[in-house]
Amino acid sequence: EDKVVQSPLSLVVHEGDTVTLNCSYEVTNFRSLLWYKQEKKAPTFLFMLTSSGIEKKSGRLSSILDKKELFSILNITATQTGDSAVYLCASNTGNQFYFGTGTSLTVIP
Amino acid sequence: DTAVSQTPKYLVTQMGNDKSIKCEQNLGHDTMYWYKQDSKKFLKIMFSYNNKELIINETVPNRFSPKSPDKAHLNLHINSLELGDSAVYFCASSHPGGGIETQYFGPGTRLLVL
Repeated sequence: EDKVVQSPLSLVVHEGDTVTLNCSYEVTNFRSLLWYKQEKKAPTFLFMLTSSGIEKKSGRLSSILDKKELFSILNITATQTGDSAVYLCASNTGNQFYFGTGTSLTVIP
Repeated sequence: DTAVSQTPKYLVTQMGNDKSIKCEQNLGHDTMYWYKQDSKKFLKIMFSYNNKELIINETVPNRFSPKSPDKAHLNLHINSLELGDSAVYFCASSHPGGGIETQYFGPGTRLLVL
């Protein structure tokens, strides 16, 4: 059965901390791994990863994929209260997106 | 310009009623989806349509019936609503292949069944 597992389920940190969110996947016909940030509305796209070992960066956020070990990490450095959200990862297998349960991140001032 | 839009944004209704949620995308994408997100924030796919054809139909009660009149629209009709149907329903679209595989989500429809 195709599945995506995220850890931890929730995380509380202080502003300025660095966090690492984990996503492992077991899917057939893997094409890409995507990260989303969901606040109170719809998920918004962060990164799409297709190749192992190539880091994608956007400001304080970065992500990398390991296709051999079947996982990805999302790093957030110097966290801010605005980073508080649920972070979702999803694996794309063509027309299907399998989502993990998300990691709920709370950043305390 | 709104990329993926859903109506209504909020829907409060009684058990046993029939309701519809509409979704439209103006991105020219071939594939559209319906997801249900429950109170635990788990996003679960319900249906996927590609060029008006159903390609994914997860284990969803047959009270839920999607309809795609054209590839820009995917509506969700729900018969005989039950309390457990209360959730946020997200429509999304994507363009598989060509390296553009991101999904764009609509704003969601919050359904509350009383």
